[in-house]
Formats: sequence, C-alpha cells, structure tokens
Amino acid sequence: EPEVTQTPSHQVTQMGQEVILRCVPISNHLYFYWYRQILGQKVEFLVSFYNNEISEKSEIFDDQFSVERPDGSNFTLKIRSTKLEDSAMYFCASSAGTSNTIYFGEGSWLTVV
Amino acid sequence: GQSLEQPSEVTAVEGAIVQINCTYQTSGFYGLSWYQQHDGGAPTFLSYNALDGLEETGRFSSFLSRSDSYGYLLLQELQMKDSASYFCAVFNNAGNMLTFGGGTRLMVKP
Repeated sequence: EPEVTQTPSHQVTQMGQEVILRCVPISNHLYFYWYRQILGQKVEFLVSFYNNEISEKSEIFDDQFSVERPDGSNFTLKIRSTKLEDSAMYFCASSAGTSNTIYFGEGSWLTVV
Repeated sequence: GQSLEQPSEVTAVEGAIVQINCTYQTSGFYGLSWYQQHDGGAPTFLSYNALDGLEETGRFSSFLSRSDSYGYLLLQELQMKDSASYFCAVFNNAGNMLTFGGGTRLMVKP
C-alpha cells in the first residue's frame, strides 16, 4: 500500500539552528501538507502545497518556516533559527485532491535544546 | 474559520460500545472526517461523512447531522487495541486545509 515517508524520524538540534525535514508523498498525489503536534496536544495545520506553490497556510507558518518541492518526489519543511517551542512532532501528509482523504506519514520528532 | 469540540477523554470496557461526539463550526462544509492516532503514531484515516446519516465500516460507524453541525464516531465490540486518540476534522471552503478537533483519548479497560 502506498505511504507517505518522512526523514529523519527524530532530530535533536541546538536552539537557533536550521533544520530541514523531508517527506516523500504518495506518488500520484497532488496536494502536500505539513502538520505539527506538540506533545499531548492536537494536530495543527501548518501549510498546504499544490502545483509548486503554497495553497494555504496557518498563522503558525510565519517567516521562520518555508516549504519546497526540490524535485519530483521530495517535499521539505525548513525551520530557520529554531526555538525551544518548535519542539514537536511534524507530520507530512498528502492527498489526491481537495477535500480528499489526507494520508499522514509517521512523523519527524524534533527536539530543540 | 473552523472550530471543533469533542470530549477530551472517554473510558470503556472491552466488548462495550462507545460513542465519541463532535460538534463543529465552519463557514463552509465539505464533510466530517475521523482519524485515529495511537501514542507516538501518525493520524490514520477512519471515515468520512459528506451526507447526513450513518456510515458503517466494520466495528466502526460514523454519523453526521449537517443541520445540527454534529457527528459522532461509534466503536463497537471494543478491543484493547482501540485505546487511542480519536480526532474529528473538517475541511475549509477551498478543501485545502483540514482542521482537527482537540481529540478524544479513549481508554479501553479489561
């Protein structure tokens, strides 16, 4: 069964450093997403991406964050100048279209120290 | 914007039936989704209701009433492995942002 894959599964970084989280969405999907989940809290939408541009973003997704599709298969989330409060699980997801079922990857756990 | 309300926690015994309710407020409506998440795992799609009524998938059923902005997830013949968090979610008008409720933590006891 096709699945969304994410790397790394866990990353520890120093405060102020930049991190890049990587994702390979399901191959025939057109919409890509990043979500964040702080430990014990709900799943929060960050951004959706379609046709090589941001389709929608939340207020969380400020200038500290950026997304990119550098090639035909990868989708990345870059977090600049990380802060302690960026520590969370980051989920990549994809869907075939709008209002379609969204499939999530296993997540990348980011710890900022 | 979208907002969803669901109970924070529910406890039930193995073999029982449990209902997790969800009420929502959204400017447009494109259906109510349900996701399951085990501790440390990814949200996994369970069901989607676009129209009023009950959708059944094995032990799990989901119900929607658009006039009441209300839905529920019904889990029957509970098993220990059903212990997880359950989230309801709705799309925005453009269908490109899925907003989740706060999640209901289900604990199944022997």
